[in-house]
This record gives sequence, C-alpha cells and structure tokens, in this order.
Amino acid sequence: GAGVSQSPSNKVTEKGKDVELRCDPISGHTALYWYRQSLGQGLEFLIYFQGNSAPDKSGLPSDRFSAERTGGSVSTLTIQRTQQEDSAVYLCASSFGGSNTIYFGEGSWLTVV
Amino acid sequence: DAKTTQPTSMDCAEGRAANLPCNHSTISGNEYVYWYRQIHSQGPQYIIHGLKNNETNEMASLIITEDRKSSTLILPHATLRDTAVYYCIVRVEDNNNDMRFGAGTRLTVKP
Repeated sequence: GAGVSQSPSNKVTEKGKDVELRCDPISGHTALYWYRQSLGQGLEFLIYFQGNSAPDKSGLPSDRFSAERTGGSVSTLTIQRTQQEDSAVYLCASSFGGSNTIYFGEGSWLTVV
Repeated sequence: DAKTTQPTSMDCAEGRAANLPCNHSTISGNEYVYWYRQIHSQGPQYIIHGLKNNETNEMASLIITEDRKSSTLILPHATLRDTAVYYCIVRVEDNNNDMRFGAGTRLTVKP
C-alpha cells in the first residue's frame, strides 16, 4: 500500500484479555516505530526496530507489552492481560532508514472495558 | 530530558501567518530540527526539517537562528484546517536513532 497500514482500526476488549495490533509499514522502509497516545496526551515512544539490529525496547511500559517484527516488514504489538489504563491509540510509523522522515499510520484505537 | 521547549498553546487568526517557536538550547551540531503536526484523531504528519539553513516547502517555512538554539515554524496563511498540535523535535541523522515527541504546541486557528 501507499502508506503505513494498521489493524484493527478499533478494538474493544475486556480487562485481562490479550490483544494484538498489527502494522504494515511502507514497502521498503527498514525502520519501524510504535507509539502510544492516551486521550488528550502526547505521543509516548514504545519501541523502535531498525533493520536487523536489536530493537530499542526502552519505551515499553511493562513486561505485559511486547513487539516483534517478522521478516523485517510487518510488526505486531502484543499487550497481555490488558488493563483499563492501556486504553489509548497505538500509532505505528516507518521510515527508510532510521535517519529519515517517518510516516505514521492512522492508529489502532484500543478500549479496555 | 526534554530537548525542546514549546509553548503549550497559541491562537492565530485565519489568513494570518502562524509563527510557532521552539527552543532547543542544547542542540548538538549533528542534530536536525524536525516539525510534525497532529490533527485531531489522525496520525502525526511530517511538515519540514532542517539543520542550519532556513527551509521552505509547500506547507511551511522553517527559520533556524544562527546559533541554532531556537527555531520558528511559519505557516504563511493559516486556515482552519491548520488547527492541530505542532511538535518540534531535534534528532541526530543516525540509523540507530529513534524519534521522541514532546508535548507540542496546540495551535488554534480562529475565523
């Protein structure tokens, strides 16, 4: 596709359930980022993948959060045992190399009830 | 450890120039200044970036002071659709570097 694609666009889940959020970066982009944005708040960095390098996981808020990137393309962000404070929009972005302009998807809106 | 400081909010009249300031007094010689904006309920959108020279594109102009400790994003003729949160970010052009966002400036363009 032409842009960063995220799915699902909206997800409502019960507290305690696991969720998976998917990101398809722009074709050819080697760098991929995940951010979280709670209602009315700024962007919170979660994790960064660049090529075959070890990901920068320094932004993950707890061990309930994990992400992987298979084949250097698609990425999945997994949240285990979801809590209400996990409710937010999860934004994915990609760039051609870590040093270049990054492009965002429209986000996955997660609501934990 | 915020690298940039921006006003929390600003207003601008429709049709007038919007000048959004950003302070980055600890910027390093190899760090670029990037601007993004986020319109409500959308993902952030790239606007412009520069190192030390002023830059202009179809969206905006970026003015960087000679000492590079501050910059101004200029939207020459603001429209209601420019209402958004504007983020100023300093970043090394390095393949191992991620991108961190601060709180930004909430610009409201008023009719």
